Amino acid sequence: AQSVTQLGSHVSVSEGALVLLRCNYSSSVPPYLFWYVQYPNQGLQLLLKYTSAATLVKGINGFEAEFKKSETSFHLTKPSAHMSDAAEYFCAVSDKTGANNLFFGTGTRLTVIP
Amino acid sequence: ETGVTQSPTHLIKTRGQQVTLRCSSQSGHNTVSWYQQALGQGPQFIFQYYREEENGRGNFPPRFSGLQFPNYSSELNVNALELDDSALYLCASSSPSYYGYTFGSGTRLTVV
Repeated sequence: AQSVTQLGSHVSVSEGALVLLRCNYSSSVPPYLFWYVQYPNQGLQLLLKYTSAATLVKGINGFEAEFKKSETSFHLTKPSAHMSDAAEYFCAVSDKTGANNLFFGTGTRLTVIP
Repeated sequence: ETGVTQSPTHLIKTRGQQVTLRCSSQSGHNTVSWYQQALGQGPQFIFQYYREEENGRGNFPPRFSGLQFPNYSSELNVNALELDDSALYLCASSSPSYYGYTFGSGTRLTVV
């Protein structure tokens, strides 16, 4: 079965500081992994995805994530936080079978302090 | 290229009523999935439609049902609404050539 665990339901960083949002996955097959961002009262926007190509994945808005099989991790990073990064971030894993549906973590709310 | 559009954006229903939510998939996408996002939680998979057939279902009771139409748009129907059905319902579309899903902005359903 597939699942993800997001460590830290709330993360606060200062503007300009490094952003690190943690995601660990569990999957019985090599996974496809995703990070989505959700702004208040909006749907989900895809930041980046890992589909078994390069292990370091670059996404939109300066975010990137590294797939580490040995650690079963897919942490999201951004070198310098911007006020507009404040949002809810969700990590998700795909089951890659049947419906290829996504299993989401419980989310991490990022606050950026000016 | 149009994205995924959902209607209505907000809805208030009474317990026991029925509701229909609508979704137009992104141009070129033939697969539609529905997710339920309760307050403070991550989205949970309800079901997926591909070529007008249900192609997978999550852990939701049969009173959650759906349809997909020849133009790939979709409906989510929920019968006998319960208070716990209050949530944001998200529609996502995809296609075989695009691995990943494009999400709509959702319908916020409140059951009172």
